[in-house]
Amino acid sequence: KAGVTQTPRYLIKTRGQQVTLSCSPISGHRSVSWYQQTPGQGLQFLFEYFSETQRNKGNFPGRFSGRQFSNSRSEMNVSTLELGDSALYLCASSLEQGARSETQYFGPGTRLLVL
Amino acid sequence: AQKVTQAQTEISVVEKEDVTLDCVYETRDTTYYLFWYKQPPSGELVFLIRRNSFDEQNEISGRYSWNFQKSTSSFNFTITASQVVDSAVYFCALFNAGKSTFGDGTTLTVKP
Repeated sequence: KAGVTQTPRYLIKTRGQQVTLSCSPISGHRSVSWYQQTPGQGLQFLFEYFSETQRNKGNFPGRFSGRQFSNSRSEMNVSTLELGDSALYLCASSLEQGARSETQYFGPGTRLLVL
Repeated sequence: AQKVTQAQTEISVVEKEDVTLDCVYETRDTTYYLFWYKQPPSGELVFLIRRNSFDEQNEISGRYSWNFQKSTSSFNFTITASQVVDSAVYFCALFNAGKSTFGDGTTLTVKP
């Protein structure tokens, strides 16, 4: 079974631009979570989607948004990029209940650099 | 609020040494789940183990073993006879009711 895939793997943007990242979960997984990883803040939870609905949200500004499609694929969008948004963005999928208890399996991440 | 503390920022050992990575957590919930993930240089987090709060049995998987003690809120991870391929960042995480909290990670370097 294929793992979690994320596209693109690398991205360079400039301040003020917006970016959309994509995540395809493991086949059959219905929950998708997004995380931001930076050297200073570590791994931080962004949000979780289940059945096309945002079920949980971390402590990030409204510039960070996401959505989930009927096939469970998910996208996250960051508008008005700031230098501090440079990070590794990780997507994780789980079978059903997401962060409640199911094991989350992570993708390889998208490395975003904001110049 | 939940919190996960991995006090060891970096550990360096020589191949074949045993090494223990510490994890201490804080939560007010009675039901929760603890995880260990490995992050090699490629960046992808690799799932190692999941343990729920009601199961304090220790677990061994090959060279890996985990010691869960609710009394001290600890979930430590031991690698026996370490190998160079074990070099990575290891994260301990606490999941419950939609909240996920990761520790800051421990960077393990295994030298030949």
